[in-house]
Amino acid sequence: EVQLVETGGGLIHPGGSLRLSCAASGFAVSNNFMSWVRQAPGKGLEWVSLIYSGGSTYYADSVKGRFSISRDNSENTLYLQMNILRAEDTAVYFCARVKEYGTIYHREFYFDYWGHGTLVTVSS
Amino acid sequence: SVLTQPPSVSGAPGQRVTISCTGSTSNIGAGYDVHWYQQLPGTAPQLLIYTNRNRPSGVPDRFSGSKSGTSASLAITGLQAEDEADYYCQSYDTSLRGSIFGGGTKLTVL
Repeated sequence: EVQLVETGGGLIHPGGSLRLSCAASGFAVSNNFMSWVRQAPGKGLEWVSLIYSGGSTYYADSVKGRFSISRDNSENTLYLQMNILRAEDTAVYFCARVKEYGTIYHREFYFDYWGHGTLVTVSS
Repeated sequence: SVLTQPPSVSGAPGQRVTISCTGSTSNIGAGYDVHWYQQLPGTAPQLLIYTNRNRPSGVPDRFSGSKSGTSASLAITGLQAEDEADYYCQSYDTSLRGSIFGGGTKLTVL
């Protein structure tokens, strides 16, 4: 059974750093594309970051240069390092397994399994 | 949001409702598929429809999806109280070079 469990959320001051973890079971993160998606309180979903099975990484413009996605294959865990946090980063952060298909010129993605999320609050 | 959804829709039990998702020539109109998610109150999103019209195992056939031009639609027939949730469409945008979501639609079962 596929399971994703996020940890690491909490209250952090603006400008601070936080690292989120997503422990996976039932599949290998190393063989899959993985993503982080966030949801601000009372708002919709926003894609944050993606890591390919080959290791390439991609980010939304809103977090580029501040956030970093990575994984530990031996721990079967996905991470999101968040630096220079802002109030607008306040959200529930979900990790999700990504289903990738298409061609190298027309690659498409959807999110087939989601974790329960972890809340990050950026406030002074 | 890059993808536009109505903020809310409603229907009585047993009725049919549709939720639209309107994009542009840099996403849906560029041939990218649309996927739909259901988010029950206080829970994580769950995949509902993938690649425009396909249902994951366990999703009732009361849920169906379609896509045409720069838009897509989610239809729910035989509405049930348990369908009350937020629904999100998702696709890929070539200009933004990333996945995009609609703003979400709150379904109320009257």
